[in-house]
Amino acid sequence: SQTIHQWPATLVQPVGSPLSLECTVEGTSNPNLYWYRQAAGRGLQLLFYSVGIGQISSEVPQNLSASRPQDRQFILSSKKLLLSDSGFYLCAWSKQGRTEAFFGQGTRLTVV
Amino acid sequence: GESVGLHLPTLSVQEGDNSIINCAYSNSASDYFIWYKQESGKGPQFIIDIRSNMDKRQGQRVTVLLNKTVKHLSLQIAATQPGDSAVYFCAGADSWGKLQFGAGTQVVVTP
Repeated sequence: SQTIHQWPATLVQPVGSPLSLECTVEGTSNPNLYWYRQAAGRGLQLLFYSVGIGQISSEVPQNLSASRPQDRQFILSSKKLLLSDSGFYLCAWSKQGRTEAFFGQGTRLTVV
Repeated sequence: GESVGLHLPTLSVQEGDNSIINCAYSNSASDYFIWYKQESGKGPQFIIDIRSNMDKRQGQRVTVLLNKTVKHLSLQIAATQPGDSAVYFCAGADSWGKLQFGAGTQVVVTP
């Protein structure tokens, strides 16, 4: 069966510090991968998606970047965090050509 | 781009009753519409989806209705249980699987 792992679950970082969130998927190959952000009490906003290794599409301008160094690994990064980067970050995957997306448990990032 | 939004921010339902959660969309660019359930502190969980060329789809205790004429989507939950308490999101999906979410409806099941 397929599983998605996302870590850490919570993170408190000072303004100006770097960020690296990692997501890995097991039990499938060549998945579509996604990073979403959820503000408190709001819906999810798509940040990045990837259809293959090294292929990253950004949906909104921001202080973040994404990379896919391996087929089932998706990384969300920032060189210098801003207060506005605080939120709940969710990684998701789907099979190519399918709409059902499976989400990780999320990382709650607080920038102080 | 497409805008997907919900009518009611909070829905209180008595245990055993049926729940209806509504969602409106403004632009019909999605290939699919999907309902997700999110419990506190967790990632969204897929409930059911419907292709944009369908008007009804049933699952276990859930039914999704799509009215393209008025651009309206609803989720019906039969015999609501305490475990159904959560935030429910509708989302539109394009052919790449990218999701555009609505704001969410908090469903509270009362005994």
